[in-house]
Amino acid sequence: LAKTTQPISMDSYEGQEVNITCSHNNIATNDYITWYQQFPSQGPRFIIQGYKTKVTNEVASLFIPADRKSSTLSLPRVSLSDTAVYYCLVGGYNNNDMRFGAGTRLTVKP
Amino acid sequence: NAGVTQTPKFQVLKTGQSMTLQCAQDMNHEYMSWYRQDPGMGLRLIHYSVGAGITDQGEVPNGYNVSRSTTEDFPLRLLSAAPSQTSVYFCASSYRGGLSTDTQYFGPGTRLTVL
Repeated sequence: LAKTTQPISMDSYEGQEVNITCSHNNIATNDYITWYQQFPSQGPRFIIQGYKTKVTNEVASLFIPADRKSSTLSLPRVSLSDTAVYYCLVGGYNNNDMRFGAGTRLTVKP
Repeated sequence: NAGVTQTPKFQVLKTGQSMTLQCAQDMNHEYMSWYRQDPGMGLRLIHYSVGAGITDQGEVPNGYNVSRSTTEDFPLRLLSAAPSQTSVYFCASSYRGGLSTDTQYFGPGTRLTVL
């Protein structure tokens, strides 16, 4: 089972780039890496997913090194509305092997 | 589309009581799942379903039952509530892929307190 480890919290300021790293040392060959965002009193919301190298969409980038033992979610030029908890999820097609990290609470300050 | 809906939003139970958390989705998704969220532990999978009539256990299934009689609905039953089941419960659905390989759409959650 891929155990996922994330920092508990991070602080940033508006306009900065934020990088949140997730460690998953025993990731399996078929595992994907997915990041979710959660605001207070809401369910998590999908941000981005990748398998290797780099993935970019309109809100974030995901960097995955060749050994895939970690991944980094990059949020460009954060704003106050990016204050949330970010979860890393690692798993493949075996649904019982999926594991969420404990989440990283990002606070963006003015 | 309403997406994934959950009822109730809040619930307080006494130890030993039973109840059903409701979950429905209107996106014609095959996969549905239940998670519990506890401080410092992220989301843990309770039960999931890959289609009507098919369910399976997740990481923490003890004390919970599920059934999937229709594509739209996936209720979670607490048989005899215990204080350890105090948590926030989330229902999610995804179109067709696995829970880790497809985008999951989460409901707003049910906050359950067991006294």
